[in-house]
Amino acid sequence: GAVVSQHPSWVICKSGTSVKIECRSLDFQATTMFWYRQFPKQSLMLMATSNEGSKATYEQGVEKDKFLINHASLTLSTLTVTSAHPEDSSFYICSARRTENEKLFFGSGTQLSVL
Amino acid sequence: DAKTTQPTSMDCAEGRAANLPCNHSTISGNEYVYWYRQIHSQGPQYIIHGLKNNETNEMASLIITEDRKSSTLILPHATLRDTAVYYCIVTRGYGNEKLTFGTGTRLTIIP
Repeated sequence: GAVVSQHPSWVICKSGTSVKIECRSLDFQATTMFWYRQFPKQSLMLMATSNEGSKATYEQGVEKDKFLINHASLTLSTLTVTSAHPEDSSFYICSARRTENEKLFFGSGTQLSVL
Repeated sequence: DAKTTQPTSMDCAEGRAANLPCNHSTISGNEYVYWYRQIHSQGPQYIIHGLKNNETNEMASLIITEDRKSSTLILPHATLRDTAVYYCIVTRGYGNEKLTFGTGTRLTIIP
């Protein structure tokens, strides 16, 4: 079946550095991908909708200059956490649909720890 | 998307059927009921979805009331690997429609 691959699975970085997370649709093209963030013991919170070839749509309260999203191809979306701080430590998850009328597939997530 | 209400947590004995309820009293006619689950430190996994008829697949059964204001996810023979947070989501479910996750039900399967 359809698979969404996310890389890396976990990353540790120093405060002030930037981290890039990749989300790939392995056997289908995804014009739209979604990025979620999840803090411990909380539910998934949608951060932004990534649109191939155009600017991402950010949810209220999510800083677009801090969380840069690039969806340059139909199979790849990237989320870059710029100037990361300890409060950005979280579980980041991407998702995509294979076709317009199909369910969302989720990546395995990326655990980011900022020291 | 219509809001859903689920119990915070449930326990179920291993081998028994796990019945997870969900209320969605404000569901619209073109909205589906989707169920996902999230095992610790993993991305959500799709389980099943339905519009108004009951549905069954290899993982679970979905029972939707006639008025569509509530539904029940049934795991027929729960195993320890079914321990997870289960999310009931109501959505039109197509195009660039996003999924909004509530707090879900933390299901613990007890040996």
